[in-house]
Amino acid sequence: SQQGEEDPQALSIQEGENATMNCSYKTSINNLQWYRQNSGRGLVHLILIRSNEREKHSGRLRVTLDTSKKSSSLLITASRAADTASYFCATALNDYKLSFGAGTTVTVRA
Amino acid sequence: DAGVTQSPTHLIKTRGQHVTLRCSPISGHKSVSWYQQVLGQGPQFIFQYYEKEERGRGNFPDRFSARQFPNYSSELNVNALLLGDSALYLCASSALDRARYEQYFGPGTRLTVT
Repeated sequence: SQQGEEDPQALSIQEGENATMNCSYKTSINNLQWYRQNSGRGLVHLILIRSNEREKHSGRLRVTLDTSKKSSSLLITASRAADTASYFCATALNDYKLSFGAGTTVTVRA
Repeated sequence: DAGVTQSPTHLIKTRGQHVTLRCSPISGHKSVSWYQQVLGQGPQFIFQYYEKEERGRGNFPDRFSARQFPNYSSELNVNALLLGDSALYLCASSALDRARYEQYFGPGTRLTVT
């Protein structure tokens, strides 16, 4: 079973524009993580936001967390061609299992 | 420092055969997890090992098994392969034993079952 669900499934933007994707989850969490995957290869950890944090920044990335709505958003500002990838949110269902959503595929057009 | 490495990169097997996938974690990481990612979906948890002990198992049949060696490298074994086992198999390592901590993923092994 999947804990997180990303929305939209796919996103196409022009280089320089911002990209926003959302994640909804079902159970209470300790933290929520975002990962990026290029061309079906390994996942790269982007950012981790704890349940007591509402917003976090890392470079051009901004993540928000609303535990009352069980949702998170990832904003990529000033997108570049290299940002073309699939983005996944992930939460730990228990001590050992990380649960991923189906992901949002972002295409940045030159 | 070297990241997580996985071998082989690609593999083609026939239904009914057996396959072994290998993973070497980042130096100093004692936790290794395995995930299966079918095309168009997110990774699905298969196993987690920490300090050579199985800590967790996902909803996969007994055809899937794994182990972790004294040097913390790991093998994932799949017996009696089915067409539905075709997927990208990802290994992730972590310095700590909890899934809520940052996981470092390898490039994956692409398994095709024909």
